[in-house]
Amino acid sequence: KAGVTQTPRYLIKTRGQQVTLSCSPISGHRSVSWYQQTPGQGLQFLFEYFSETQRNKGNFPGRFSGRQFSNSRSEMNVSTLELGDSALYLCASSLGWDSGDYGYTFGSGTRLTVV
Amino acid sequence: AQSVTQPDIHITVSEGASLELRCNYSYGATPYLFWYVQSPGQGLQLLLKYFSGDTLVQGIKGFEAEFKRSQSSFNLRKPSVHWSDAAEYFCAVGSGGYQKVTFGIGTKLQVIP
Repeated sequence: KAGVTQTPRYLIKTRGQQVTLSCSPISGHRSVSWYQQTPGQGLQFLFEYFSETQRNKGNFPGRFSGRQFSNSRSEMNVSTLELGDSALYLCASSLGWDSGDYGYTFGSGTRLTVV
Repeated sequence: AQSVTQPDIHITVSEGASLELRCNYSYGATPYLFWYVQSPGQGLQLLLKYFSGDTLVQGIKGFEAEFKRSQSSFNLRKPSVHWSDAAEYFCAVGSGGYQKVTFGIGTKLQVIP
């Protein structure tokens, strides 16, 4: 079966712009989580969506937002980009821990560079 | 709040040698524990997970991990390392009450011939 698909793979944006990243989870998976990965901070949790509802949120400013559609596809948006937003953004899907599925399947990530 | 400590940022081992990567967690209740591996330019792949039962957990690629509640540890082991094991390894902790997983900073493994 198809894995987790993240688009685009690479993105270069200018400070002050906004960006939208997309994640298509594995078919049947209703939970999608987003992480920001940087060399200094490691993986930082952004948010988790389940059946179109945001269930958990990490400690990121309001410039970071997300949503999930009825087909479980998810998008995250970053507005007013800053240089420090340069990172690998990873999406992870699962059936949902409510279903006893305690692991994530990760996509390959979107590499965002802010110049 | 839950947290994970991976005390070794870099580890170098010879091919064929045994490997142990350390992980300590902080969490008040029974944790859900994971080890993931990341190859350069790729996402993370789940190696193994623990949430209950036998404290010695077998995973993919010949890895195993042992949960020790008294030491708040979940160390990853492999008896004989292959060059293809060179990658970055992440320990993670989550709770059953809500699906938020906290990752350690990662341990980069280098394998020398």
